Amino acid sequence: AQSVTQLGSHVSVSEGALVLLRCNYSSSVPPYLFWYVQYPNQGLQLLLKYTSAATLVKGINGFEAEFKKSETSFHLTKPSAHMSDAAEYFCAVNAGGTSYGKLTFGQGTILTVHP
Amino acid sequence: GAGVSQSPSNKVTEKGKDVELRCDPISGHTALYWYRQSLGQGLEFLIYFQGNSAPDKSGLPSDRFSAERTGGSVSTLTIQRTQQEDSAVYLCASSQTGGGYGYTFGSGTRLTVV
Repeated sequence: AQSVTQLGSHVSVSEGALVLLRCNYSSSVPPYLFWYVQYPNQGLQLLLKYTSAATLVKGINGFEAEFKKSETSFHLTKPSAHMSDAAEYFCAVNAGGTSYGKLTFGQGTILTVHP
Repeated sequence: GAGVSQSPSNKVTEKGKDVELRCDPISGHTALYWYRQSLGQGLEFLIYFQGNSAPDKSGLPSDRFSAERTGGSVSTLTIQRTQQEDSAVYLCASSQTGGGYGYTFGSGTRLTVV
């Protein structure tokens, strides 16, 4: 079975500051890992994914995440926050490999960006 | 279509009524997933379709919930005898293959049971 823990249900940063959203996973098989973003009243948009290639993954909007097997972590970072980054972010794990994409999601982290 | 389309976007229904939620996946996508997003439970997997078959329906919370997919395209999620705890946002997603590399979500249907 797999699970995802997102540390911090709310994170607040100033515009221009570093964004760090934490995600730890548990999986009995090598996982595929994802970060999704959800803006108010919208569906989930894929930010980036790790699928066993490079451990440092770059996504859209300047976000990146690093897969650390030893720490079972997949933290999301962005060097400089923008007001438009305010949203809810979800980390997810898929232990089904390439053929089956059933995702287990974390509880989400709401990112607030202050001017 | 260009994206995953869900209808209606909002649905208010009385307790005990049946509701149908529709999902139009991206054209050519064989995999289709339904998830539920609620305040207390977060995002929960409901059911997975590959073509018209549902190899995994383990997430359906009770026998009041059912789903079908026809023509390898449109899917309908039906909730019978709705209860207040069914209030949530129901999200559909589709993928070209099994979805292991991630998929595209629709904007969801917000269901409110009063």
